[in-house]
Amino acid sequence: DAKTTQPPSMDCAEGRAANLPCNHSTISGNEYVYWYRQIHSQGPQYIIHGLKNNETNEMASLIITEDRKSSTLILPHATLRDTAVYYCIVMNSGGSNYKLTFGKGTLLTVNP
Amino acid sequence: NAGVMQNPRHLVRRRGQEARLRCSPMKGHSHVYWYRQLPEEGLKFMVYLQKENIIDESGMPKERFSAEFPKEGPSILRIQQVVRGDSAAYFCASSLEAAGGTDTQYFGPGTRLTVL
Repeated sequence: DAKTTQPPSMDCAEGRAANLPCNHSTISGNEYVYWYRQIHSQGPQYIIHGLKNNETNEMASLIITEDRKSSTLILPHATLRDTAVYYCIVMNSGGSNYKLTFGKGTLLTVNP
Repeated sequence: NAGVMQNPRHLVRRRGQEARLRCSPMKGHSHVYWYRQLPEEGLKFMVYLQKENIIDESGMPKERFSAEFPKEGPSILRIQQVVRGDSAAYFCASSLEAAGGTDTQYFGPGTRLTVL
């Protein structure tokens, strides 16, 4: 699996957009980008995933660069409840790749 | 639309006792994964099971740990003769098909095991 690099921490003001970057420069053509978050003491929560097109759901938007070497998770209107560790994970499609590898992620702190 | 359920949420055991952790996957999901999160560390894969089959247990310690996912009932992670180093949060995830690509693992709330 491709390795990912994320900043260790970020701050965001409540109500503003939070833009969380992720570098995955060694990503290969059949690897997806997944985002999860873990709010303190809770189980990881799936947010969104994509292959090469930008994706949007009720939680967030995922912007993947054309060369697929980096992506940005966007929380359009951050709230205090969005304070969490956000994990960017690259995952191969195909039958044998199911081990999610959680790195250190980015601790997003949303401030009032 | 129940999500992944785990119980108990908190479990306290003394050294040498057995711990049994249960996981009920989301409705319709037949693939279960167990992860362990040691204090101040990231989640680590332990084992992947389908109904009645262990597919990959490469992340599970070779001794004292076992997992099953019977035809009926929840998946069970069993730890025999617990030691203090087993204290951790244990998370279960499930997916509709084998995860990877377009399928997604959904996680439960976890069981926090404390070994005294």
